[in-house]
Amino acid sequence: KNEVEQSPQNLTAQEGEFITINCSYSVGISALHWLQQHPGGGIVSLFMLSSGKKKHGRLIATINIQEKHSSLHITASHPRDSAVYICAVRAGNQFYFGTGTSLTVIP
Amino acid sequence: NAGVMQNPRHLVRRRGQEARLRCSPMKGHSHVYWYRQLPEEGLKFMVYLQKENIIDESGMPKERFSAEFPKEGPSILRIQQVVRGDSAAYFCASSRYHAGNGARDYGYTFGSGTRLTVV
Repeated sequence: KNEVEQSPQNLTAQEGEFITINCSYSVGISALHWLQQHPGGGIVSLFMLSSGKKKHGRLIATINIQEKHSSLHITASHPRDSAVYICAVRAGNQFYFGTGTSLTVIP
Repeated sequence: NAGVMQNPRHLVRRRGQEARLRCSPMKGHSHVYWYRQLPEEGLKFMVYLQKENIIDESGMPKERFSAEFPKEGPSILRIQQVVRGDSAAYFCASSRYHAGNGARDYGYTFGSGTRLTVV
């Protein structure tokens, strides 16, 4: 069993839709990251969370430490949001990664 | 203020050769982390280094792989006698602070990766 589970694995949405990606983890963490990876591209760190909620533009990330769960929301989705979104949790010196959610936003 | 710089972006090696991957952390960052992303798999932690010290190498294969982060210059991930199974994307990240600082913004930043292909 992976330390970090993401859902859904694949997601297709129409432009403008509200999108939610979920992440559950089983280890004690000091922080949780949401990362974005474009096809063949590098990785961008979108958020680092240890509690509550953060917002950046159309992106919102929340975390519930008690339930060991985090969500990434994208409002008014756009085709340029198409990417793989990866949840990563930090436990001690290590990071554990989800396998990613592949998002495709159709115009 | 350049981000985390990795080079080369693409590296092709024949089986048995050595591969050297370089990572220059962001200015002011003294913590470096290496990750491997195998085709169709997620990212896996390999090693965590501070300047001149390996802090945690529990994710690194015991043989053929080594990492260093010298006092001057970039961090180097070295793979000796490469095999086809080493073909992957190798990502480096850097941060200002050590793990476990909770809510502090330690500026964790990824590089664009080095894609190693072993032929």
